[in-house]
Amino acid sequence: QSVLTQPPSASGTPGQRVTISCSGSSSNIGSNTVNWYQQLPGTAPKLLIYRSNQRPSGVPDRFSGSKSGTSASLAISGLQAEDEADYYCAAWDDSLTGRVFGGGTKLTVL
Amino acid sequence: EVQLLESGGGLVQPGGSLRLSCAASGFTFSSYAMSWVRQAPGKGLEWVSAISGSDGRTYYADSVKGRFTISRDNSKNALYVQMNSLRAEDAAVYYCAKEMAVANYYGMDVWGQGTTVTVSS
Repeated sequence: QSVLTQPPSASGTPGQRVTISCSGSSSNIGSNTVNWYQQLPGTAPKLLIYRSNQRPSGVPDRFSGSKSGTSASLAISGLQAEDEADYYCAAWDDSLTGRVFGGGTKLTVL
Repeated sequence: EVQLLESGGGLVQPGGSLRLSCAASGFTFSSYAMSWVRQAPGKGLEWVSAISGSDGRTYYADSVKGRFTISRDNSKNALYVQMNSLRAEDAAVYYCAKEMAVANYYGMDVWGQGTTVTVSS
């Protein structure tokens, strides 16, 4: 059971916009920023979003993040076949004094 | 090029010990906190431990607290994790990751390729 809650799966067709939610609590998302990672099959995770809504250089602006209260979301617009991957949210948890991850969302491009 | 290269994984019996290493290059190692993250076969990501780049302050997941010890040698640009009293549930791919700041944990922007730890008799 992960501290952050994500839907196990999501899907969309090419060109569509999809969102992935991440729900936490006051000790993690409610008081710290959120990061999002993309993990393609058989590869190491890649940072997509940091500080809840910032993109590292090289990440397409099709990816965007937002946070409100104790929840966050990742939006992917103009969905492409190469976006098919697992997506994880994470945040620092002040009560646990450590980072917590969501269980991951498997995105399928139909 | 910024790079992290893990080593030290392998097969260990339950109750045994293993030390993982991570060699860093292409950035000022001492200026960044570092973390270990693991992924059991077919499962999601689990944060294991972190260490700040400045004062060496350490943090651990409850699942490894008291059994794992994270450390770093800034003179060698190296990160380590000493894993003792290993259990079957510790079997995973272990990733070394660079944090984006010296003592804040708002994102891991560089990851190694991972090293596999198998715990079995």
